[in-house]
Parts: sequence; C-alpha cells; structure tokens
Amino acid sequence: QKEVEQNSGPLSVPEGAIASLNCTYSDRGSQSFFWYRQYSGKSPELIMFIYSNGDKEDGRFTAQLNKASQYVSLLIRDSQPSDSATYLCAGGDSGGYQKVTFGIGTKLQVIP
Amino acid sequence: GAVVSQHPSWVICKSGTSVKIECRSLDFQATTMFWYRQFPKQSLMLMATSNEGSKATYEQGVEKDKFLINHASLTLSTLTVTSAHPEDSSFYICSARGSGSSVHEQFFGPGTRLTVL
Repeated sequence: QKEVEQNSGPLSVPEGAIASLNCTYSDRGSQSFFWYRQYSGKSPELIMFIYSNGDKEDGRFTAQLNKASQYVSLLIRDSQPSDSATYLCAGGDSGGYQKVTFGIGTKLQVIP
Repeated sequence: GAVVSQHPSWVICKSGTSVKIECRSLDFQATTMFWYRQFPKQSLMLMATSNEGSKATYEQGVEKDKFLINHASLTLSTLTVTSAHPEDSSFYICSARGSGSSVHEQFFGPGTRLTVL
C-alpha cells in the first residue's frame, strides 16, 4: 500500500511568519511530488511540483525534496491569512500509470 | 490554465436512486480522467482512472458495478452512482489530463457534493 503521511494539524502561525509543512512517502520509486492547496468545500489547486532532490522556489513558496529520506516539505514565507487552507502533499505513482496518491492534508491557520 | 467543469455542483437524492455526475474538459482534450472521492477530514481517494474509449480501471475496494464510469469522448466523462445509499454521501472530484502531459498537469474540476438521504 503506497502511502503519503502528513500531520493533519492544525498548524497555526502568525501573519508574516514562515509556515513549514512536512510529508513523508512510502513509495521509494515515486519520482514526482506535489503540493496542493484546498480551501474548505473546494477542489485542490496545484501550488508546487518537484521532481529533483533539493529546493524549488516559486514566489513565497519553496518545495524541498529529499528522496533518500523519502521526505517532502513546503515552506511558505511571509504567511498571509489568505494562505489559511489545507495543504495536501501528493506523490506520483512509480508504476507508470501517472496516478497520484494524496496525503490527508495539513490544515494551516495564519493568525492575523 | 486548462478548465475542467463538473455538473451538478451539488445533489441531494433519496436512498436507492441513481445519480450521474458529469466532468468536462472545456478547452483541451482529456485523454485521461480521474475520479476521486473525499470524505470529511480525509484525503482524496482515487476511485478510478478512465481513458477515452476504454473501460475504466478501478482502484481496489471500489465497486465497478456501483460506480459506473463512461469516458466516451475526449471532453466528457461521467460517473454514475447506482442505488446510492447514505454512506455514498461524499465530495466527488474529477480531474483531467491531456495526451502527452506531465504528471503534474492534472486539472481538477470544482467537485460535486452528493448527499444521500
């Protein structure tokens, strides 16, 4: 059973702080990883994807991947109240079917 | 970006009835569509993968005779929940991907909330 593990939270950070979201995965063959943001009652929207070890930055967001440790993280700098949402970590299937397995999501609360 | 629509956005039905949910790719040809289900405070769980013109591939534990999926064209896939029961109440989300797209190019519909009384 391929799994993606996340702490469900909630993670509370003050406005302007860095939010750090973490995720581990069990499928060692997985090559692609994703962070989605999901507001309550809405469908997920892609924030970041990362395929290579190391860091990938896009605006206030930085995704980090460590394949040896099977660990993915997302840093949100200068957190804003509008960033309050559930962040879903997901891993691409290694079996070639391009399926994606989602974690339970971490609820982030940015306190004004 | 690519747009995927779902209809209806919400539906309430009586136990024992069937409900059809449509997923459409509005501005691209979706060779592959995915159907997910999400219960409150839980993750998205993949139900099935459908490729245009082929039978859907269902995930383990998903009853193919209960959740009928049709992907008859490159812009439309339908999910029919047959003989729905209260435990089928959930948020159903489709996503679509075009031919040759990378794994991350999976565009989600807005979801359909099903409530079975």
